[in-house]
Amino acid sequence: DTAVSQTPKYLVTQMGNDKSIKCEQNLGHDTMYWYKQDSKKFLKIMFSYNNKELIINETVPNRFSPKSPDKAHLNLHINSLELGDSAVYFCASSSRQVISSGANVLTFGAGSRLTVL
Amino acid sequence: RKEVEQDPGPFNVPEGATVAFNCTYSNSASQSFFWYRQDCRKEPKLLMSVYSSGNEDGRFTAQLNRASQYISLLIRDSKLSDSATYLCVVNRGYGQNFVFGPGTRLSVLP
Repeated sequence: DTAVSQTPKYLVTQMGNDKSIKCEQNLGHDTMYWYKQDSKKFLKIMFSYNNKELIINETVPNRFSPKSPDKAHLNLHINSLELGDSAVYFCASSSRQVISSGANVLTFGAGSRLTVL
Repeated sequence: RKEVEQDPGPFNVPEGATVAFNCTYSNSASQSFFWYRQDCRKEPKLLMSVYSSGNEDGRFTAQLNRASQYISLLIRDSKLSDSATYLCVVNRGYGQNFVFGPGTRLSVLP
């Protein structure tokens, strides 16, 4: 069973199109995230949701709109795609509850590689 | 200046070598600390959490110095399979905000 699964794994599209990436986690976590990893491999947070409520919204163009229908799902819709949106988008989840080892951890999906032509 | 900084790398070491990675963070309110490992074209995966007293997991030892805002990772007896990018991660503690360093790439050579 995949703990954090995101689809599609690969997405190739033309500039100006609209696309969505879906994410689901079966870990029972209450917080979900979208991270972007660009060509320089730097991982940067975009959004974070806790129990369907937006709690982190970093400086991201409003062409990017996250939606969380329930705490196990967080989708990302991107309008009017631009060349600079090409990157790997990682979904992740965590729990605010401290686990027995004393620290909560972040678990990632396998990533969705978006290429805008 | 980035909130989390790491050795720029890459580190190229022979099998069996000991290698140390350094990380500094600027937000003194940071509450929890981690090392993640990312293989080429894969997702980051937790290597180990870092505790104030220092902790060890097999060949890996992590240290935290809150006063200096410094985190380290030591890998002993490097294996070829240790080749990856090592990411220092800091949790600011509010809103579950995990901040990643730029990563240090390690290549272990036969």
